[in-house]
Amino acid sequence: DAGVTQSPTHLIKTRGQHVTLRCSPISGHKSVSWYQQVLGQGPQFIFQYYEKEERGRGNFPDRFSARQFPNYSSELNVNALLLGDSALYLCASSPRTSFNEQFFGPGTRLTVL
Amino acid sequence: GQQVMQIPQYQHVQEGEDFTTYCNSSTTLSNIQWYKQRPGGHPVFLIQLVKSGEVKKQKRLTFQFGEAKKNSSLHITATQTTDVGTYFCAPNSGYSTLTFGKGTMLLVSP
Repeated sequence: DAGVTQSPTHLIKTRGQHVTLRCSPISGHKSVSWYQQVLGQGPQFIFQYYEKEERGRGNFPDRFSARQFPNYSSELNVNALLLGDSALYLCASSPRTSFNEQFFGPGTRLTVL
Repeated sequence: GQQVMQIPQYQHVQEGEDFTTYCNSSTTLSNIQWYKQRPGGHPVFLIQLVKSGEVKKQKRLTFQFGEAKKNSSLHITATQTTDVGTYFCAPNSGYSTLTFGKGTMLLVSP
């Protein structure tokens, strides 16, 4: 079975631009969560979606938004990029809404210049 | 909000030595998860602890959940080079967010 997939793998943007990151969960998983991981730190929770509804939001500015589609895939959007947004963006899926075992994708490495 | 402290931040051991990382929360937890992230990789789920005082073993790894459900530990017996990576705890207070600790980076020399 395929694991969690994310696209693109790497991305370079300039300040002020916007970016869209995509995630496909494991088949049958209805919950998708997004995390930001800065080098040397643990993943920081951004959003959780379950059945297309936002179920949790971390301490991130409104420049960050996400949505989940009927097929349970998800997009993370970041507007007005800042240098500090450079990070590894991880998507994780799980079968249920609660934070049980999460299966992480390989991540998207975003560099903002 | 919930604060998580994970210690040590870094540990370098010789292959065969034991290793322990500790995770302490400022609030009582519903459960706690542990993840391992290899260099250049993504976090991989190891285990979830739910009950007060719970102890679980996976081969050379032993996980404990404190009686007060505010702390946890991961102990590796007789480390191997394959144990290299960063170990994160992810305490869950029952809110709709999940907090990860800063992790303990383990380096094992042969």
